[in-house]
Amino acid sequence: EPEVTQTPSHQVTQMGQEVILRCVPISNHLYFYWYRQILGQKVEFLVSFYNNEISEKSEIFDDQFSVERPDGSNFTLKIRSTKLEDSAMYFCASSEAFATGNTEAFFGQGTRLTVV
Amino acid sequence: SQQGEEDPQALSIQEGENATMNCSYKTSINNLQWYRQNSGRGLVHLILIRSNEREKHSGRLRVTLDTSKKSSSLLITASRAADTASYFCATPNQAGTALIFGKGTTLSVSS
Repeated sequence: EPEVTQTPSHQVTQMGQEVILRCVPISNHLYFYWYRQILGQKVEFLVSFYNNEISEKSEIFDDQFSVERPDGSNFTLKIRSTKLEDSAMYFCASSEAFATGNTEAFFGQGTRLTVV
Repeated sequence: SQQGEEDPQALSIQEGENATMNCSYKTSINNLQWYRQNSGRGLVHLILIRSNEREKHSGRLRVTLDTSKKSSSLLITASRAADTASYFCATPNQAGTALIFGKGTTLSVSS
């Protein structure tokens, strides 16, 4: 069964450092997303991406965050200067259509980011 | 906000019992989805119900949708210890460009 793959599974970084979280969405999907989940809390939407541009972003997704689809298979989330409060599990997801298209989203297993 | 809110926050039951979780949302939707998350893992899609559907079944799962009350319920029948997980409802945001998740219900099934 096709799956969304995320690397690394766990990343520890120093405060102020840049991190790049990587995702390989399902190959025939065109819509990509990043979510985050602070330990024990809800799953928060960060950004959606389609046709090589951001479709929607939340208030969390400020200037410190950026996304990119550098090639035909990868989808990355960059945090320029990490803060302690960026520590969370980051999930990548992909789908065939947007949410109103009555399709499900497929999630990766997540990258646990720990900022020290 | 389009966000769904689940109720209860936590539910503990014995194996074999049924588990019911509820979700309320605020504005019109064209579908509502339920996801499951095992501890520390990714979300797994369980079921999608369209706004013109009232009830949907998948194995031991039964989902209902009441658009007049802006609410949905997820029923897991004959629960098993392996059903222990967090369950989230999700609805499209206003622009339809993403799913927005509720806070989830943590289900614990003891054997």
